[in-house]
Amino acid sequence: GAVVSQHPSWVICKSGTSVKIECRSLDFQATTMFWYRQFPKQSLMLMATSNEGSKATYEQGVEKDKFLINHASLTLSTLTVTSAHPEDSSFYICSAAGENYGYTFGSGTRLTVV
Amino acid sequence: AQTVTQSQPEMSVQEAETVTLSCTYDTSESDYYLFWYKQPPSRQMILVIRQEAYKQQNATENRFSVNFQKAAKSFSLKISDSQLGDAAMYFCAYGGGTSYGKLTFGQGTILTVHP
Repeated sequence: GAVVSQHPSWVICKSGTSVKIECRSLDFQATTMFWYRQFPKQSLMLMATSNEGSKATYEQGVEKDKFLINHASLTLSTLTVTSAHPEDSSFYICSAAGENYGYTFGSGTRLTVV
Repeated sequence: AQTVTQSQPEMSVQEAETVTLSCTYDTSESDYYLFWYKQPPSRQMILVIRQEAYKQQNATENRFSVNFQKAAKSFSLKISDSQLGDAAMYFCAYGGGTSYGKLTFGQGTILTVHP
């Protein structure tokens, strides 16, 4: 079946630094990828939708300058949290949309900003 | 905009018993998909079952089945013969008529399975 590899699975960074999260579709081409944020025991909140070769579409309230999304190829999308602060600490999940409503999720990244 | 509501923040069930998780949604579209996802403590999202709105027959996957009531905009999940491994957070999700479109998730229901 379709697999999306997400790395790193967890990361700790210092306040003010940037951190990059990668999502790779291993055995299919992901034309569209979604990035979510999830707080403990809460639902997934969509941050942005990215399409290969074009600018990401951000949901209302999401700072596009803080959460940079790049989808340069059909198999790789990245989320960079710039100038991270403790309030950015969260669980981030990517999802790739495939044919016939096949959505494949990455395993998530736990970000802790200290 | 579409909304998905899960009114049960937590549910519990005895092992081998049956439990039903509720989900309602609101949409003006006629063509759409509905999903139930399971998120265990590992936090990996796992697809449990999928229902196409144009299909009248309720989807079934082994011990998991849905009761899809299109007119009432209701999409409940029934888990039969519950197992300890079913313990997780369950999310109901809506996907609009456009393929590759975003999913809208409900608030989630935490399911506890008692031995």
